[in-house]
Amino acid sequence: EAQVTQNPRYLITVTGKKLTVTCSQNMNHEYMSWYRQDPGLGLRQIYYSMNVEVTDKGDVPEGYKVSRKEKRNFPLILESPSPNQTSLYFCASSPPGQGAFEQFFGPGTRLTVL
Amino acid sequence: GDSVTQMEGPVTLSEEAFLTINCTYTATGYPSLFWYVQYPGEGLQLLLKATKADDKGSNKGFEATYRKETTSFHLEKGSVQVSDSAVYFCALSDQWRGSTLGRLYFGRGTQLTVWP
Repeated sequence: EAQVTQNPRYLITVTGKKLTVTCSQNMNHEYMSWYRQDPGLGLRQIYYSMNVEVTDKGDVPEGYKVSRKEKRNFPLILESPSPNQTSLYFCASSPPGQGAFEQFFGPGTRLTVL
Repeated sequence: GDSVTQMEGPVTLSEEAFLTINCTYTATGYPSLFWYVQYPGEGLQLLLKATKADDKGSNKGFEATYRKETTSFHLEKGSVQVSDSAVYFCALSDQWRGSTLGRLYFGRGTQLTVWP
């Protein structure tokens, strides 16, 4: 089944404890992206990647890191999480040549930072 | 910068009522416009899209027309169902010389609840 998977789906952690949220897609998509969703603010883009080894900042990149070493994976790294990073995170991918068009979203990761 | 503004929610309707969710945009290039839908507990999924002025996107009874003169992309459905209850997001992806710039800008979302 073609899909975008995220792990974990739920995570409760403490301030300063490094964590990684994994994202994987099995559709051979070139474009991948991370968003956070907060009440009243909609979705805001954190980072995106047009292809392997190519990443760029979105609207809210502070406090996050990403890497794109292989086409299927795009992990989101929080080196030192803080409570203001408590949010619902979505990974998305897009078919070759589509850029930011028609994105396929994962199921989301709900992160709570205490 | 590029941005999307959509009507505040929540919107509550009875089954078979007419739905309009307003969306306007600001963009420096030639954007493509989208409506995404998020059902409870799920990720977003593309509902419909339009890539140039006067295009009409349609899917599952929903429609939206790309109006460049009013910079709008309002979502409409003639007869809503309980199963349409979800959050709806308007979005734009800017283009330059035919290629996308890698950014997708979302509105804040509109919660729709349909009662039987």
